[in-house]
Amino acid sequence: DARVTQTPRHKVTEMGQEVTMRCQPILGHNTVFWYRQTMMQGLELLAYFRNRAPLDDSGMPKDRFSAEMPDATLATLKIQPSEPRDSAVYFCASALDSREAFFGQGTRLTVV
Amino acid sequence: RKEVEQDPGPFNVPEGATVAFNCTYSNSASQSFFWYRQDCRKEPKLLMSVYSSGNEDGRFTAQLNRASQYISLLIRDSKLSDSATYLCVGLRSGYALNFGKGTSLLVTP
Repeated sequence: DARVTQTPRHKVTEMGQEVTMRCQPILGHNTVFWYRQTMMQGLELLAYFRNRAPLDDSGMPKDRFSAEMPDATLATLKIQPSEPRDSAVYFCASALDSREAFFGQGTRLTVV
Repeated sequence: RKEVEQDPGPFNVPEGATVAFNCTYSNSASQSFFWYRQDCRKEPKLLMSVYSSGNEDGRFTAQLNRASQYISLLIRDSKLSDSATYLCVGLRSGYALNFGKGTSLLVTP
């Protein structure tokens, strides 16, 4: 059963620490999205890759967030330094081209 | 302003009722549309794609109205298990999925 895998599922960290979230897209999918979800804002796009190239990261705070795809089977989202306002659920999703996307189970981040 | 707008609800309906959600989109270049369902503390899951001709999957019917720039989801014979948040999504080729904030549905006994 193909699925998007995200690690860790939960992360509690202190303000100022670096956080790295990982995503393994569905094999064969060439499009990867990172979204952040909060109660107030809903799903916000942070970054979007096609064939490992970043196409849109305008929603991502550049001073502290970075997203990369070191290879086709791994996408990473880093926050350094983390702040309490970064507390949210971070979802990765993958798709084939511009077709429907499938989500991972998310990383629930709490920054204290 | 988000490209995709939804009534957040909540919609409270009794079991067996028919309920409909609408979703408007602002960018006429949007080409594909989807409905996702999200349960509390879970990831969004694809419910159905939306085609211009309309499509039906069991108790669920999705419609697209390009002239008025809205999509709809109709749920017939609501079940308790239909309680969730329903997210509509628009997609332009070469761009990321644009999600609405979701409509909350609560089906009561």
